[in-house]
Amino acid sequence: GIQVEQSPPDLILQEGANSTLRCNFSDSVNNLQWFHQNPWGQLINLFYIPSGTKQNGRLSATTVATERYSLLYISSSQTTDSGVYFCAAAYNQGGKLIFGQGTELSVKP
Amino acid sequence: IAGITQAPTSQILAAGRRMTLRCTQDMRHNAMYWYRQDLGLGLRLIHYSNTAGTTGKGEVPDGYSVSRANTDDFPLTLASAVPSQTSVYFCASSEGGSGGYTFGSGTRLTVV
Repeated sequence: GIQVEQSPPDLILQEGANSTLRCNFSDSVNNLQWFHQNPWGQLINLFYIPSGTKQNGRLSATTVATERYSLLYISSSQTTDSGVYFCAAAYNQGGKLIFGQGTELSVKP
Repeated sequence: IAGITQAPTSQILAAGRRMTLRCTQDMRHNAMYWYRQDLGLGLRLIHYSNTAGTTGKGEVPDGYSVSRANTDDFPLTLASAVPSQTSVYFCASSEGGSGGYTFGSGTRLTVV
């Protein structure tokens, strides 16, 4: 089945810094999503982005489907950005997402 | 109700007991999913349903069953719980095969 790999596994930032998280996937996808799991365990959908670029405030994401990777950019990081960021991709057959192992982000004040 | 509601929030269960985790959505999404999250293993798909009346197996379906009698409800049943089913269980829904997922708040289950 499809493999989803994220890097780096861990990241520590000073408040105000920028960061880039990477997601590589092994096969063609029709569905690529980024999620943030906050320290209380809640999973929030950040982007549905099978291709192209989207921006939402300080966050933006780019997926290059032909090269099988996606990037999540966090600018001017805040302590509330801390948590785990997951990338997930779906098989061609439908929307059953396979998750990467996540990047654990800690933003220090 | 707004979004997805899961119940209970947490539960301690004796091994061998039967347990049903409830999931209800009010967004009229066609597709629903159950995932389990374990430290070091990430989120893994247990079962899914693309539309009411249909279900399918995910990556780790053994020991679990689901039903989808209507659009809104997607219960997950553990017929005879075992300690390896200790996990956090998340229900999710999406508009269809290519829609963004909405997750519930999760159920923390401990089997002792």
